[in-house]
Amino acid sequence: NAGVMQNPRHLVRRRGQEARLRCSPMKGHSHVYWYRQLPEEGLKFMVYLQKENIIDESGMPKERFSAEFPKEGPSILRIQQVVRGDSAAYFCASLNMVGTEAFFGQGTRLTVV
Amino acid sequence: QQQVKQSPQSLIVQKGGISIINCAYENTAFDYFPWYQQFPGKGPALLIAIRPDVSEKKEGRFTISFNKSAKQFSLHIMDSQPGDSATYFCAAGATGNQFYFGTGTSLTVIP
Repeated sequence: NAGVMQNPRHLVRRRGQEARLRCSPMKGHSHVYWYRQLPEEGLKFMVYLQKENIIDESGMPKERFSAEFPKEGPSILRIQQVVRGDSAAYFCASLNMVGTEAFFGQGTRLTVV
Repeated sequence: QQQVKQSPQSLIVQKGGISIINCAYENTAFDYFPWYQQFPGKGPALLIAIRPDVSEKKEGRFTISFNKSAKQFSLHIMDSQPGDSATYFCAAGATGNQFYFGTGTSLTVIP
């Protein structure tokens, strides 16, 4: 859905570098999800955020990964010291406070070389 | 523990045929069951969704059938077209909480 903006669309990082993925939800939406999708695989939940609050981070790896959704600005998924296994498409979805329909962005395709 | 199980993994259907994708869920607290369609290189797009107070919902050629007692729901695509070729994901969740996705079904509609 064009309303959810993710950038960059493609990101190449060398092993050990940091990756920052941004997601601007649809106007009026205050909740975002982050999902990871490996090639030929389904969507794996990572984290569920409300502005200034992490609601559920049970899908986030314990190390190197963090996410935030500040009061102002986009949600950020941060991956420190990237490894080859982090190469995947990362999708953000936003939904309204009622929590019904979730709309996905076009994703960021991270390649770690 | 997989909260949502989806089958088949891949499906090939002749143009004009009916495509059927099935999903089963575990958590009886789930109250929202959307289906998403994803084309290569794109993000998933909401196709159709149902809540457990109805057993069927139809939008154009797409129908969701919902069986609450069996904890199963399915997507039917009538008169399948080559343009329907995509990956389809079912999902389930409780309103205001995370969604759990199935593993996806790759649909190919051959002319």
